[in-house]
Amino acid sequence: DTAVSQTPKYLVTQMGNDKSIKCEQNLGHDTMYWYKQDSKKFLKIMFSYNNKELIINETVPNRFSPKSPDKAHLNLHINSLELGDSAVYFCASSQRGRTQYFGPGTRLTVL
Amino acid sequence: DQQVKQNSPSLSVQEGRISILNCDYTNSMFDYFLWYKKYPAEGPTFLISISSIKDKNEDGRFTVFLNKSAKHLSLHIVPSQPGDSAVYFCAASADFGNEKLTFGTGTRLTIIP
Repeated sequence: DTAVSQTPKYLVTQMGNDKSIKCEQNLGHDTMYWYKQDSKKFLKIMFSYNNKELIINETVPNRFSPKSPDKAHLNLHINSLELGDSAVYFCASSQRGRTQYFGPGTRLTVL
Repeated sequence: DQQVKQNSPSLSVQEGRISILNCDYTNSMFDYFLWYKKYPAEGPTFLISISSIKDKNEDGRFTVFLNKSAKHLSLHIVPSQPGDSAVYFCAASADFGNEKLTFGTGTRLTIIP
């Protein structure tokens, strides 16, 4: 049973395209997150949603738009992809204020 | 401005010995600290945490020590096992339980059989 799952695991696309990454958790958590791990392995939070409400937005370009249709899902849509968007994106979930559990990551490569 | 630092990118330890991973932070508002372990092609997995009201927390082979005055924490693994080979990330948050975690850049631990 996968607790936090992400699709796809790998994503290769051209500059300028629009793409989405999906995340689902079956832990019953009320808070979900997106993190970006760049080429220097620095893991940094991008967004957090609690009960479908945005609670953290870390100055991410507005080409990135998270969407939470329900508490168990938090999808990440990226418009007009740029070379610098290449990274590994991790989804995570938690009960508010508690330990965060991470998905396996999506490696995005922009050519 | 990196508020959580892991100055050793890599560490090699003989199996059965103690592994000590270090982490320093600069933000005095941080009051909750966590260690995550990450295998290749997987997401980080929670290991152990400590709040600023304690200076030590132990869970099996893993112990985390916090020195608030030095703004330093360390993770001790004893005895080290081959399965402990992974990248270890230190993370911190302000206002215990706050969702925003700030991560260090990780230390790659290799256990030598």
